[in-house]
Amino acid sequence: QKEVEQDPGPLSVPEGAIVSLNCTYSNSAFQYFMWYRQYSRKGPELLMYTYSSGNKEDGRFTAQVDKSSKYISLFIRDSQPSDSATYLCAMGFTGGGNKLTFGTGTQLKVEL
Amino acid sequence: ETGVTQSPTHLIKTRGQQVTLRCSSQSGHNTVSWYQQALGQGPQFIFQYYREEENGRGNFPPRFSGLQFPNYSSELNVNALELDDSALYLCASSPGNSGFTAEQFFGPGTRLTVL
Repeated sequence: QKEVEQDPGPLSVPEGAIVSLNCTYSNSAFQYFMWYRQYSRKGPELLMYTYSSGNKEDGRFTAQVDKSSKYISLFIRDSQPSDSATYLCAMGFTGGGNKLTFGTGTQLKVEL
Repeated sequence: ETGVTQSPTHLIKTRGQQVTLRCSSQSGHNTVSWYQQALGQGPQFIFQYYREEENGRGNFPPRFSGLQFPNYSSELNVNALELDDSALYLCASSPGNSGFTAEQFFGPGTRLTVL
């Protein structure tokens, strides 16, 4: 079993839809939860991160962490075609060096 | 402020050869991590360098080695290339110390193809 599980998709939604992306994890040591966006053949771009449980909002993006369920989510409101990319969740913890443990990524397509 | 840069962009090698990939970290960042991303997969941690010392290693064999220089740029060396080494190699830099830093910034990657 992988430490971080993520549905690879693809996920296709119409423009303006609310998108929900999710990851589950098994390592209870994880404290930091990151979301990266990766366009085709590019490096991952950090969208936002959360420490421990709770919600964090940044513009159209909201990240949620539920440590009791070992479940994290990223919501994208008013999705745009430019949001079409692969979304990677990543996790880490103090004492684990700077190592990020990634999910496989979910491919998202927002259609006109 | 200059972001993370990597060279070369693309590389084609044959089995058994050796390759060196390069990464320049973002200004002010002293920690560099290297990742391997196979097609359709998430990045896998190879190792991390902090102030010129290896400071953490993932599940990769010793033929994957690296260096960090006094200006915090870094190299990834892979010896005895295998077909499965074909992947996008990413480096990430961060301003952190030897502990964990959530804000890590990736370069565009080097796409290695092994024939």
